[in-house]
Amino acid sequence: DAGVTQSPTHLIKTRGQQVTLRCSPISGHKSVSWYQQVLGQGPQFIFQYYEKEERGRGNFPDRFSARQFPNYSSELNVNALLLGDSALYLCASSLAGQGVTQYFGPGTRLLVL
Amino acid sequence: GIQVEQSPPDLILQEGANSTLRCNFSDSVNNLQWFHQNPWGQLINLFYIPSGTKQNGRLSATTVATERYSLLYISSSQTTDSGVYFCAVISNFGNEKLTFGTGTRLTIIP
Repeated sequence: DAGVTQSPTHLIKTRGQQVTLRCSPISGHKSVSWYQQVLGQGPQFIFQYYEKEERGRGNFPDRFSARQFPNYSSELNVNALLLGDSALYLCASSLAGQGVTQYFGPGTRLLVL
Repeated sequence: GIQVEQSPPDLILQEGANSTLRCNFSDSVNNLQWFHQNPWGQLINLFYIPSGTKQNGRLSATTVATERYSLLYISSSQTTDSGVYFCAVISNFGNEKLTFGTGTRLTIIP
Protein backbone atom coordinates (compact mmCIF):
# COMPACT_ATOMS: atom_id res chain seq x y z
CA ASP A 1 0.00 0.00 0.00
CA ALA A 2 1.15 3.54 -0.71
CA GLY A 3 2.24 5.63 2.24
CA VAL A 4 1.43 9.28 2.84
CA THR A 5 2.26 11.34 -0.23
CA GLN A 6 2.95 15.06 -0.42
CA SER A 7 3.43 17.49 -3.27
CA PRO A 8 5.43 19.32 -4.32
CA THR A 9 8.69 18.05 -2.84
CA HIS A 10 10.41 21.42 -3.06
CA LEU A 11 9.16 24.96 -3.55
CA ILE A 12 10.78 28.38 -3.79
CA LYS A 13 8.65 31.48 -3.25
CA THR A 14 9.26 35.16 -2.56
CA ARG A 15 8.01 37.18 0.37
CA GLY A 16 4.35 38.14 0.14
CA GLN A 17 3.39 35.28 -2.16
CA GLN A 18 0.93 32.52 -1.38
CA VAL A 19 1.58 28.77 -1.39
CA THR A 20 -0.57 25.61 -1.41
CA LEU A 21 0.81 22.28 -0.22
CA ARG A 22 -0.97 18.99 -0.80
CA CYS A 23 -1.21 15.72 1.11
CA SER A 24 -2.81 12.35 0.38
CA PRO A 25 -3.24 10.09 3.41
CA ILE A 26 -2.81 6.35 3.61
CA SER A 27 -5.85 4.56 2.22
CA GLY A 28 -8.44 4.14 4.96
CA HIS A 29 -7.04 6.93 7.14
CA LYS A 30 -9.50 9.72 7.80
CA SER A 31 -7.35 12.01 9.95
CA VAL A 32 -4.70 14.33 8.51
CA SER A 33 -2.38 16.59 10.48
CA TRP A 34 0.10 19.24 9.35
CA TYR A 35 3.41 20.06 11.04
CA GLN A 36 6.09 22.69 10.41
CA GLN A 37 9.74 21.85 11.05
CA VAL A 38 12.28 24.64 10.95
CA LEU A 39 15.97 23.82 10.78
CA GLY A 40 17.34 22.38 14.00
CA GLN A 41 14.01 21.92 15.75
CA GLY A 42 11.36 19.26 16.14
CA PRO A 43 8.14 19.45 14.13
CA GLN A 44 5.46 21.84 15.44
CA PHE A 45 1.73 21.08 15.10
CA ILE A 46 -0.24 23.35 12.76
CA PHE A 47 -3.62 21.70 12.09
CA GLN A 48 -5.52 18.47 12.42
CA TYR A 49 -8.52 17.55 10.27
CA TYR A 50 -10.87 14.61 10.63
CA GLU A 51 -13.86 13.95 8.37
CA LYS A 52 -13.36 17.41 6.79
CA GLU A 53 -13.64 19.20 10.11
CA GLU A 54 -10.87 21.01 11.95
CA ARG A 55 -10.09 19.09 15.16
CA GLY A 56 -7.18 21.15 16.38
CA ARG A 57 -5.05 24.17 15.59
CA GLY A 58 -1.58 25.03 16.79
CA ASN A 59 -0.12 28.42 17.62
CA PHE A 60 0.16 29.74 14.06
CA PRO A 61 -1.16 33.01 12.58
CA ASP A 62 -4.30 33.25 10.48
CA ARG A 63 -2.11 33.36 7.36
CA PHE A 64 -2.10 29.57 7.73
CA SER A 65 -5.25 27.72 6.70
CA ALA A 66 -6.12 24.20 5.66
CA ARG A 67 -8.96 22.05 4.46
CA GLN A 68 -9.77 18.38 3.96
CA PHE A 69 -11.62 17.01 0.97
CA PRO A 70 -14.23 14.20 0.75
CA ASN A 71 -11.48 11.76 -0.30
CA TYR A 72 -9.59 12.74 2.92
CA SER A 73 -6.74 14.45 1.07
CA SER A 74 -5.77 17.83 2.44
CA GLU A 75 -4.30 21.17 1.45
CA LEU A 76 -2.32 23.61 3.57
CA ASN A 77 -2.36 27.23 2.43
CA VAL A 78 -0.02 29.94 3.60
CA ASN A 79 -0.67 33.55 2.58
CA ALA A 80 1.62 36.59 2.67
CA LEU A 81 4.74 34.46 3.03
CA LEU A 82 7.49 35.61 5.37
CA LEU A 83 11.14 34.58 5.40
CA GLY A 84 10.43 32.73 8.65
CA ASP A 85 7.96 30.45 6.89
CA SER A 86 10.90 28.67 5.28
CA ALA A 87 10.69 25.14 6.66
CA LEU A 88 9.92 21.50 6.01
CA TYR A 89 6.15 20.99 6.03
CA LEU A 90 5.11 17.51 7.07
CA CYS A 91 1.77 15.80 6.71
CA ALA A 92 0.72 12.87 8.89
CA SER A 93 -2.22 10.54 8.55
CA SER A 94 -3.85 8.23 11.05
CA LEU A 95 -7.01 6.38 11.89
CA ALA A 96 -9.24 8.43 14.15
CA GLY A 97 -8.37 8.76 17.80
CA GLN A 98 -5.46 9.62 20.03
CA GLY A 99 -4.15 6.16 20.75
CA VAL A 100 -3.08 5.32 17.23
CA THR A 101 0.09 5.58 15.21
CA GLN A 102 0.60 8.65 13.02
CA TYR A 103 2.45 8.10 9.75
CA PHE A 104 4.36 10.92 8.10
CA GLY A 105 4.88 11.80 4.47
CA PRO A 106 8.23 12.84 2.96
CA GLY A 107 7.49 16.53 3.42
CA THR A 108 7.59 19.66 1.28
CA ARG A 109 10.64 21.90 1.61
CA LEU A 110 9.58 25.54 1.28
CA LEU A 111 12.15 28.26 0.81
CA VAL A 112 10.98 31.87 1.00
CA LEU A 113 13.36 34.44 -0.49
CA GLY B 1 0.96 22.23 27.34
CA ILE B 2 2.92 19.05 27.74
CA GLN B 3 6.72 19.33 27.71
CA VAL B 4 8.98 16.72 26.10
CA GLU B 5 12.71 16.63 26.78
CA GLN B 6 15.21 14.33 25.11
CA SER B 7 18.73 13.49 26.13
CA PRO B 8 21.49 13.56 25.18
CA PRO B 9 21.16 16.23 22.48
CA ASP B 10 24.13 14.81 20.59
CA LEU B 11 25.77 11.40 20.61
CA ILE B 12 28.81 10.27 18.65
CA LEU B 13 29.64 6.56 18.71
CA GLN B 14 31.88 4.07 17.00
CA GLU B 15 30.23 1.53 14.74
CA GLY B 16 29.21 -1.52 16.75
CA ALA B 17 28.58 0.38 19.98
CA ASN B 18 25.29 0.39 21.90
CA SER B 19 23.33 3.49 22.84
CA THR B 20 20.42 4.58 25.02
CA LEU B 21 18.29 7.62 24.20
CA ARG B 22 15.94 9.07 26.79
CA CYS B 23 12.63 10.92 26.53
CA ASN B 24 11.00 12.60 29.54
CA PHE B 25 7.48 14.02 29.40
CA SER B 26 5.64 16.22 31.84
CA ASP B 27 2.12 14.77 31.83
CA SER B 28 0.23 11.54 31.27
CA VAL B 29 0.06 10.42 27.65
CA ASN B 30 -2.00 8.04 25.52
CA ASN B 31 0.38 8.02 22.58
CA LEU B 32 4.17 7.92 22.43
CA GLN B 33 6.08 7.37 19.22
CA TRP B 34 9.78 7.18 18.41
CA PHE B 35 10.93 8.37 14.99
CA HIS B 36 14.18 8.37 13.05
CA GLN B 37 14.55 11.35 10.73
CA ASN B 38 16.82 10.56 7.82
CA PRO B 39 19.03 13.15 6.06
CA TRP B 40 16.24 13.82 3.54
CA GLY B 41 13.80 14.76 6.28
CA GLN B 42 11.60 11.67 6.21
CA LEU B 43 10.27 10.72 9.63
CA ILE B 44 10.44 6.96 9.88
CA ASN B 45 8.25 5.27 12.48
CA LEU B 46 10.26 3.15 14.89
CA PHE B 47 7.83 2.38 17.69
CA TYR B 48 4.34 3.21 18.91
CA ILE B 49 4.83 2.61 22.63
CA PRO B 50 2.64 4.49 25.15
CA SER B 51 3.60 1.85 27.73
CA GLY B 52 5.57 -1.37 28.01
CA THR B 53 8.47 -2.77 26.02
CA LYS B 54 8.86 -3.58 22.33
CA GLN B 55 11.72 -4.89 20.22
CA ASN B 56 12.38 -4.73 16.50
CA GLY B 57 15.70 -6.21 15.44
CA ARG B 58 18.57 -4.18 16.91
CA LEU B 59 16.17 -1.59 18.30
CA SER B 60 14.04 -1.81 21.40
CA ALA B 61 12.04 0.67 23.44
CA THR B 62 10.59 0.85 26.93
CA THR B 63 8.05 3.33 28.26
CA VAL B 64 7.33 3.64 31.98
CA ALA B 65 4.17 5.72 31.81
CA THR B 66 3.79 6.09 35.58
CA GLU B 67 7.26 7.68 35.77
CA ARG B 68 6.83 9.65 32.55
CA TYR B 69 9.82 8.51 30.55
CA SER B 70 10.72 6.35 27.60
CA LEU B 71 14.01 4.84 26.49
CA LEU B 72 15.16 3.84 23.02
CA TYR B 73 17.98 1.28 22.83
CA ILE B 74 20.10 0.79 19.74
CA SER B 75 22.48 -2.15 19.77
CA SER B 76 25.42 -2.88 17.48
CA SER B 77 25.14 0.54 15.82
CA GLN B 78 25.61 0.87 12.07
CA THR B 79 26.42 3.99 10.05
CA THR B 80 22.90 3.89 8.64
CA ASP B 81 21.59 4.52 12.17
CA SER B 82 22.95 8.07 11.97
CA GLY B 83 20.37 10.83 12.00
CA VAL B 84 18.05 12.56 14.42
CA TYR B 85 15.81 10.56 16.74
CA PHE B 86 12.59 12.16 17.95
CA CYS B 87 10.22 11.19 20.68
CA ALA B 88 6.66 12.52 20.29
CA VAL B 89 3.65 12.26 22.58
CA ILE B 90 -0.06 13.01 22.70
CA SER B 91 -1.27 14.23 26.07
CA ASN B 92 -4.33 12.69 27.71
CA PHE B 93 -5.64 16.20 28.17
CA GLY B 94 -5.31 17.72 24.73
CA ASN B 95 -6.35 17.17 21.15
CA GLU B 96 -4.71 14.62 18.89
CA LYS B 97 -1.58 16.64 18.15
CA LEU B 98 1.84 15.09 18.56
CA THR B 99 4.23 17.16 20.69
CA PHE B 100 7.82 16.47 19.69
CA GLY B 101 10.95 16.59 21.77
CA THR B 102 14.03 18.48 20.62
CA GLY B 103 15.64 15.32 19.31
CA THR B 104 18.90 13.43 19.74
CA ARG B 105 21.41 13.70 16.89
CA LEU B 106 23.21 10.36 16.58
CA THR B 107 26.40 10.09 14.55
CA ILE B 108 27.92 6.64 13.99
CA ILE B 109 31.58 6.68 12.94
CA PRO B 110 32.90 3.77 10.85
